Amino acid sequence: AQKVTQAQTEISVVEKEDVTLDCVYETRDTTYYLFWYKQPPSGELVFLIRRNSFDEQNEISGRYSWNFQKSTSSFNFTITASQVVDSAVYFCALRTGANNLFFGTGTRLTVIP
Amino acid sequence: EAQVTQNPRYLITVTGKKLTVTCSQNMNHEYMSWYRQDPGLGLRQIYYSMNVEVTDKGDVPEGYKVSRKEKRNFPLILESPSPNQTSLYFCASSLGTSGVNEQFFGPGTRLTVL
Repeated sequence: AQKVTQAQTEISVVEKEDVTLDCVYETRDTTYYLFWYKQPPSGELVFLIRRNSFDEQNEISGRYSWNFQKSTSSFNFTITASQVVDSAVYFCALRTGANNLFFGTGTRLTVIP
Repeated sequence: EAQVTQNPRYLITVTGKKLTVTCSQNMNHEYMSWYRQDPGLGLRQIYYSMNVEVTDKGDVPEGYKVSRKEKRNFPLILESPSPNQTSLYFCASSLGTSGVNEQFFGPGTRLTVL
């Protein structure tokens, strides 16, 4: 069975602090894809990153970075020097060879000015 | 502009009154899907379609119907809505079913059933 766990329901940080959002996944498939989506207060889902199971390289995009570790089945997301515009709900998701995209329950990040 | 559109964006209705939420994509995507988002539960798949006339149940299909008569459209039908179907609904599409294909999401439809 596939499962994505985001244990942090809500996080609050002060602007300019770094913050890491945790994501742990479960799957028996050897080929799978992991995603992060951002849902700002306006409600739409914004794609942030996709990572396949064969690529454990960490990725950095501006203030965002992702740490993928197959050994711990984790795909954590770090925002460096957080800004108020980063306030949103962030979802981690898993897609295997099947047709479903399994979402975690989301982490609500509030960045306090 | 490549996009997934949904209509209506907001809807308040009453129990038992049939409704349809439309979804359309202009990217010639084969795969389309419907999700509902509820607090504390994340997004859960309702139905998906791998191509025209090919649809299948997701995790929470009860109370919903879909059809895929054209590649670009994938309407979600609630024959007899109930209050437990009050939710935020997202339509999504992707080029194929492989995980390498990013899913593009519509803007969401907020449905309230009284």
